[in-house]
Amino acid sequence: KQEVTQIPAALSVPEGENLVLNCSFTDSAIYNLQWFRQDPGKGLTSLLLIQSSQREQTSGRLNASLDKSSGRSTLYIAASQPGDSATYLCAVTLSGAGSYQLTFGKGTKLSVIP
Amino acid sequence: NAGVTQTPKFRILKIGQSMTLQCAQDMNHNYMYWYRQDPGMGLKLIYYSVGAGITDKGEVPNGYNVSRSTTEDFPLRLELAAPSQTSVYFCASSYSWGRNYGYTFGSGTRLTVV
Repeated sequence: KQEVTQIPAALSVPEGENLVLNCSFTDSAIYNLQWFRQDPGKGLTSLLLIQSSQREQTSGRLNASLDKSSGRSTLYIAASQPGDSATYLCAVTLSGAGSYQLTFGKGTKLSVIP
Repeated sequence: NAGVTQTPKFRILKIGQSMTLQCAQDMNHNYMYWYRQDPGMGLKLIYYSVGAGITDKGEVPNGYNVSRSTTEDFPLRLELAAPSQTSVYFCASSYSWGRNYGYTFGSGTRLTVV
């Protein structure tokens, strides 16, 4: 059974700092990995999707990497801002017929202090 | 804005009552999903649908039912509500499944069973 772990569970950083969020998964047979942002009381917003054949994806100040063989992904946030404060979730889609579900980690709660 | 719309946003149910959580998407996505999110836990798949008339169970289907009569709508039915069903429910959709396709989530329904 696929398990997704996110470390740390919570992170507090001063504004302007660069930071890295970690995600690991136990089964490397994935189609893709997706990073989401969740604001309190809100839904999930997709940030980046990395296909299994890709090594990284970038969007603005965000960069996500994927090392499928080692079962790891990182989300790098450059020059953090208070508006980046949210919970960040990673999720993987297993490859293979009939495997439609996303398997989520429990998230990393990020607080950026002004 | 195009996306996934969920109603209601909040609901309090008494034990044994029933209700339907509504979900609609206007992106012509074939695949739709229902997830629940319990505090401090990752999202878990309840049911999913790969097209109108086709549904299947996910990881935690007990106590729920779904139907998919149109491409746009995917309601989730709770019969005989129990306190264990207190959770935040998210509906999601994707155009297809696999390497290239990400998911779009609704803003959630926060359900409390008392």
